[in-house]
Amino acid sequence: GAVVSQHPSRVICKSGTSVKIECRSLDFQATTMFWYRQFPKQSLMLMATSNEGSKATYEQGVEKDKFLINHASLTLSTLTVTSAHPEDSSFYICSAKWRTEAFFGQGTRLTVV
Amino acid sequence: DAKTTQPPSMDCAEGRAANLPCNHSTISGNEYVYWYRQIHSQGPQYIIHGLKNNETNEMASLIITEDRKSSTLILPHATLRDTAVYYCIVRVDSAGNTPLVFGKGTRLSVIA
Repeated sequence: GAVVSQHPSRVICKSGTSVKIECRSLDFQATTMFWYRQFPKQSLMLMATSNEGSKATYEQGVEKDKFLINHASLTLSTLTVTSAHPEDSSFYICSAKWRTEAFFGQGTRLTVV
Repeated sequence: DAKTTQPPSMDCAEGRAANLPCNHSTISGNEYVYWYRQIHSQGPQYIIHGLKNNETNEMASLIITEDRKSSTLILPHATLRDTAVYYCIVRVDSAGNTPLVFGKGTRLSVIA
């Protein structure tokens, strides 16, 4: 199967700062990547669809100015949480399509203090 | 995409078969059944998918009823490492171009 790598796996930041999370497809090209968020004991919730070379599409209720997505190459999408607050603390997961299946990164646990 | 219903939790003894049910009574003819699992603090992992025939791979078997209104994921010899949340997802897009929509899944606990 394909490998999707996220970095960092864990990050702690101060309230008001910004954090960038990287999602890379290591051995394949991904024109589309998806970003999810997962709060404790809850399921994954789709945040946005990231398209290479164009603007991301955000789900209803997700602030595009707060969660900046950049998909500048066929192997890299980044999610930047701007002006982070404690309520943004969550598990962020990306996925990319290889052939017909979705492969997921290992996730990034963000803690805002 | 059709809605799915899964039991919130199940236990299974190590070495025994784990049978995870999924109800998808409103499934339409062109919708596939997918199974993913998520081990604690990791990203989801693809297990198997099918349309109407039973499927088997190195991880599991998928049994879909003839009317396609329900399915069962079978882990033939569960190990402690199979402890995870298992998600049954029904979707039209077998090409994978649209995102997966996750429900609450079944939390499987494999017990020694």
